[in-house]
Amino acid sequence: DAMVIQNPRYQVTQFGKPVTLSCSQTLNHNVMYWYQQKSSQAPKLLFHYYDKDFNNEADTPDNFQSRRPNTSFCFLDIRSPGLGDAAMYLCATSGGEATNEKLFFGSGTQLSVL
Amino acid sequence: KQEVTQIPAALSVPEGENLVLNCSFTDSAIYNLQWFRQDPGKGLTSLLLIQSSQREQTSGRLNASLDKSSGRSTLYIAASQPGDSATYLCAVRTGANNLFFGTGTRLTVIP
Repeated sequence: DAMVIQNPRYQVTQFGKPVTLSCSQTLNHNVMYWYQQKSSQAPKLLFHYYDKDFNNEADTPDNFQSRRPNTSFCFLDIRSPGLGDAAMYLCATSGGEATNEKLFFGSGTQLSVL
Repeated sequence: KQEVTQIPAALSVPEGENLVLNCSFTDSAIYNLQWFRQDPGKGLTSLLLIQSSQREQTSGRLNASLDKSSGRSTLYIAASQPGDSATYLCAVRTGANNLFFGTGTRLTVIP
């Protein structure tokens, strides 16, 4: 059974049109992460939540926002997508911020910007 | 800043061969190293996690080693199968939420 679920699997949006990606988890994990992975590149951390505590990476563009209404769900909002935002967006969870925790990833949402 | 490198970027082997994937990192002050598998257009599946105090971890046909002082890790795959074809990424953890990924090695196992 899938433990970290991302919807939709593929998302197409227009340049400048807001889009929301969703992630849910059945692991009851405290920490949820959003990564951006462009073609043939390493995943790059955008931000993470420890419970409701939001942590933004210093180089994450302001165009990217996130919401976590409860433990199970986390959303990635892209306010005005540009062509450079086309990428795979990966959601991940871990049980805590302890350094020996594994990360569990969803299947990703492939975003295309037209 | 931590940099993680994986060489080669792509590798093709005939079915049944044993193979080694390499990962190197520039800052040896890591907490752990994790190997992931990524199928085309899919998310990441965790394969093995090695704590900084450990030298190796094994799971089935997979064996991962870690030499923290030299900044190197290897992933050994025994008796490769076509189903092993995927991209393999390594990632090092340097803090509570700092996970640095390499760009991966794309493995093709030829039947």
